[in-house]
Amino acid sequence: ELKVEQNPLFLSMQEGKNYTIYCNYSTTSDRLYWYRQDPGKSLESLFVLLSNGAVKQEGRLMASLDTKARLSTLHITAAVHDLSATYFCAVDRDTDKLIFGTGTRLQVFP
Amino acid sequence: DADVTQTPRNRITKTGKRIMLECSQTKGHDRMYWYRQDPGLGLRLIYYSFDVKDINKGEISDGYSVSRQAQAKFSLSLESAIPNQTALYFCATSDPQVHLSDTQYFGPGTRLTVL
Repeated sequence: ELKVEQNPLFLSMQEGKNYTIYCNYSTTSDRLYWYRQDPGKSLESLFVLLSNGAVKQEGRLMASLDTKARLSTLHITAAVHDLSATYFCAVDRDTDKLIFGTGTRLQVFP
Repeated sequence: DADVTQTPRNRITKTGKRIMLECSQTKGHDRMYWYRQDPGLGLRLIYYSFDVKDINKGEISDGYSVSRQAQAKFSLSLESAIPNQTALYFCATSDPQVHLSDTQYFGPGTRLTVL
């Protein structure tokens, strides 16, 4: 059974600081997705990582994938308040269903 | 206009009532999904459909049923609602042939409360 674990589950960080969210998964997969959810809102696709070593960047967020380690990271550079949200990773099983992590709730304070 | 819409957006009902949640999409995607979200549990897949004639159970299908009325419409029913079905429900769509991945596009969600 594929399991997807994120850590930390909750992250409170000061503006301007850097931090990394980790996503570990238990079985082989070459496709990993990152989503953002604002409070009370829907999920928005951030990144799609489709191969080992893939790296994607958008603004202050950078995602990477290491399929051998079954690990993806979401790195936050110089955090700003607008990045406050819950971030989910999701792994694609062979049958093309996504298994979601439990989410990391990020709070950025001044 | 939103590409994936859900109705109703909020619903309060009583135990034992039958409830239907509806999802419509204008993205032209073949694949549609229903998830529920509970605090601390992420999203869990209830049912999914890869085309109009295809319906599959997800990891938590007990107590739910679905209907794929057309490519654009996918409904979720709770035949006899119970309080532990109180959750936020999301519909999503995808089309790997268009997007070269299974990126899913989510509706705004339906907040369901069962008393």
